[in-house]
Amino acid sequence: DIVMTQSPDSLAVSLGERATINCKSSQSVLYNSNNKNYLAWYQQKPGQPPNLLIYWASTRESGVPDRFSGSGSGTDFTLTISSLQAEDVAVYYCQQYFSTPYAFGQGTKLEIK
Amino acid sequence: QVQLQQSGPGLVKPSQTLSLTCAISGDSVSSNSAAWNWIRQSPSRGLEWLGRTYYRSSWYNAYAVSVKSRITINADTSKNQFSLQLNSMTPEDTAVYYCARSSFYYNRWGQGTLVTVSS
Repeated sequence: DIVMTQSPDSLAVSLGERATINCKSSQSVLYNSNNKNYLAWYQQKPGQPPNLLIYWASTRESGVPDRFSGSGSGTDFTLTISSLQAEDVAVYYCQQYFSTPYAFGQGTKLEIK
Repeated sequence: QVQLQQSGPGLVKPSQTLSLTCAISGDSVSSNSAAWNWIRQSPSRGLEWLGRTYYRSSWYNAYAVSVKSRITINADTSKNQFSLQLNSMTPEDTAVYYCARSSFYYNRWGQGTLVTVSS
């Protein structure tokens, strides 16, 4: 099974500053035949289900603000929030859909400094 | 707009069976491009995929190894919904249970059901 590991576990960033969350997979999630990384990012606020932000490692879901961006390939990925807003306080998860079981990372809690 | 509406009990006794249903609007459970999943979330296990059902000219199911001996996921095309049955519940199964639509990634989720296993 592929194991997803996020860092850090928690993060405090000032409003307007950049937030960076890392995700590492135990095996590559890059499918060579189509050159796509099978990696998604989700945001979860208290009492709500996770909400899809990014898929294929770097494609923003419709309606997601452009301050959210995803990058990386193979086994190492990053979610960046370019200018933190108060509404971005949440827990963020990465998830691989390369092979079952489609595992999630343990989550990164993002707070305001 | 695809929406998923969950229903089912929030309290289950140990050794009993959990039954949850997820009603779909805006899509079809028989879609050839989607899969219908159950995922749970607990402090100890995090987000854990339990299984899915999907239609690709025939019906297919896939289950997580951790629950494979206890789980059944079924689709009901007449009601456009799918269901989860998890047998032999223990306190370790206490979690928030979600249904979710996937086409690779999970792009729609139900509202979640907190299931507590307690006598």
